Amino acid sequence: QSVLTQPPSVSAAPGQKVTISCSGTSSNIGNNYISWYQQVPGTAPKLLIYDNDKRPSGIPDRFSGSKSGTSATLGITGLQTGDEADYYCGTWDSSLSEGVFGGGTKLTVL
Amino acid sequence: QVQLVESGGGVVQPGRSLRLSCAASGFTFSSHAMDWVRQAPGKGLECVALLSYDGKDKYYANSVKGRFTISRDNSKNTVYLQMDSLTAEDTAVYYCARQGLSSLTPYMDVWGEGTTVTVSS
Repeated sequence: QSVLTQPPSVSAAPGQKVTISCSGTSSNIGNNYISWYQQVPGTAPKLLIYDNDKRPSGIPDRFSGSKSGTSATLGITGLQTGDEADYYCGTWDSSLSEGVFGGGTKLTVL
Repeated sequence: QVQLVESGGGVVQPGRSLRLSCAASGFTFSSHAMDWVRQAPGKGLECVALLSYDGKDKYYANSVKGRFTISRDNSKNTVYLQMDSLTAEDTAVYYCARQGLSSLTPYMDVWGEGTTVTVSS
């Protein structure tokens, strides 16, 4: 049981937009920044978003992040087949004093 | 280029110990906090241990507290994970990750390729 809650799967057609939600509490998302990671099966995770909405260099602006209260959202526009992957949200939990992740969301580009 | 290379994984019997290493290159290692994150087969990510840039502050997941120890040698650009009293539930791919510098909340901006630990008799 993950501390952060994500939908197990989402899907959309190529070229469309999809959003992935991440829900937490005041101990984690509510009082800390959120980050998002992409993991293609069989490979290491890759940072997509940090500090709620910042993109590292090299990450296209098709990827965006937002946060409101104890929830966060990852948005992906102009979907490509190469975006098929598992997506994880992560943050710090101040009560647990642990880094925490969501359970992951599998994105299928139909 | 910025790189993290893990080593030390393998097959180990329950109750035994294993030490993982992560060699860093291409950046100022002593400026960054470092993390170990694991992924059990078919499961999600779990942040196992975090270590501050100077080695003074350590944080552990409850699932490994008292059994795992994270440490670093800044002269060797290496971070370690000593794993004792291993159980089958510790079977996973273990990733070494660098913490970014731009935030008060930890985030992992560089990841290694991972090393596999299998605990089995």
